[in-house]
Amino acid sequence: EPEVTQTPSHQVTQMGQEVILRCVPISNHLYFYWYRQILGQKVEFLVSFYNNEISEKSEIFDDQFSVERPDGSNFTLKIRSTKLEDSAMYFCASMGLAGGSTQYFGPGTRLTVL
Amino acid sequence: DAKTTQPTSMDCAEGRAANLPCNHSTISGNEYVYWYRQIHSQGPQYIIHGLKNNETNEMASLIITEDRKSSTLILPHATLRDTAVYYCIVWSGSNYKLTFGKGTLLTVNP
Repeated sequence: EPEVTQTPSHQVTQMGQEVILRCVPISNHLYFYWYRQILGQKVEFLVSFYNNEISEKSEIFDDQFSVERPDGSNFTLKIRSTKLEDSAMYFCASMGLAGGSTQYFGPGTRLTVL
Repeated sequence: DAKTTQPTSMDCAEGRAANLPCNHSTISGNEYVYWYRQIHSQGPQYIIHGLKNNETNEMASLIITEDRKSSTLILPHATLRDTAVYYCIVWSGSNYKLTFGKGTLLTVNP
């Protein structure tokens, strides 16, 4: 069964450093998403991406964040200058067709900012 | 997206059916009811979704009331591995994002 994969599973970084979180969506999916979950809190939407551009982004997704689909398989989330409050689980998701289709989530990357 | 209301927590005995309710009284005609679950801090796992009719797959059944204002997720024979937070989400797909609430923590007891 196809699945979304994410690397690394755990990333530890120093405050102010740049991190790149990587995702391989399900093959032939067209819509891609990043969500995050701070420990003990709800899963929050960050950004959606379709046709090589951002479809929607939340207030959390400020100038420090960017997304890219550098090739036909990877989807990345970059945080330019990490802050302590960026520590969270980051989940990638992908979806095939809009309108009644389903988002499938990866296992997540735990980001720890020291 | 319409808001949903779920109990904070529920218990179920292993081997018994787990029935998780969800209220979505402001659901629109084009909005589906989706159920996901999250085991510990793993990624949300899709379970099932429906529009009007009841649905069943290998994981669960979804019962949607005729007026579509509420639904019930049924795990027919709960196991310890079904202990998780279950999210009921109303979603049209048109704005692409899923909005997660706090969900129901289902604890399956031996």
